[in-house]
Amino acid sequence: EAGVAQSPRYKIIEKRQSVAFWCNPISGHATLYWYQQILGQGPKLLIQFQNNGVVDDSQLPKDRFSAERLKGVDSTLKIQPAKLEDSAVYLCASSASRDNWSSPLHFGNGTRLTVT
Amino acid sequence: AQSVAQPEDQVNVAEGNPLTVKCTYSVSGNPYLFWYVQYPNRGLQFLLKYITGDNLVKGSYGFEAEFNKSQTSFHLKKPSALVSDSALYFCAVRDINNAGNMLTFGGGTRLMVKP
Repeated sequence: EAGVAQSPRYKIIEKRQSVAFWCNPISGHATLYWYQQILGQGPKLLIQFQNNGVVDDSQLPKDRFSAERLKGVDSTLKIQPAKLEDSAVYLCASSASRDNWSSPLHFGNGTRLTVT
Repeated sequence: AQSVAQPEDQVNVAEGNPLTVKCTYSVSGNPYLFWYVQYPNRGLQFLLKYITGDNLVKGSYGFEAEFNKSQTSFHLKKPSALVSDSALYFCAVRDINNAGNMLTFGGGTRLMVKP
């Protein structure tokens, strides 16, 4: 099966600019996650979708970050305006079913964002 | 709140020797536990998980992990390390008793296997 696809792989922007990341999960996976991985740290969950609904966005900085999954498949994560501390790798992951919490997550290769 | 601790930033081992990467966790209920590996410029790859049953679980690439409820640990092990095992390893926990709970990752341990 095809894996989780993310684009772009790299992005460099200046602070206060906006940026968007795209994710296409594994076909048939209902649950989609966006994680932020700062260099030297473990991934931190930003938002979790079940189909096109938000399950958990408690750690999403909503004043500048937004995410959507309009048709329950692809998702976009946006940052507007970006700050220096947003420099990180943004990982998208998907899993087969929210009701089966034992399902492992399948990760994309991530988008490395550098804010200057 | 649930948490994961990986006390070693880096583990060094010689090729052919056994390796252990340590993980301890804290949850209010019962845990689902996972290990993931991350190679440079790649996303995380699933290695193995503990859900229930045998405390020793086997996963990909010859890795195994032992669940110890009394010590709240889930250490990753391999009997004979390969240079190609060098990567970043993450332990993660999910509290199965909390509806809508998130998967929480540890800070990661870099494994260096030297020839």
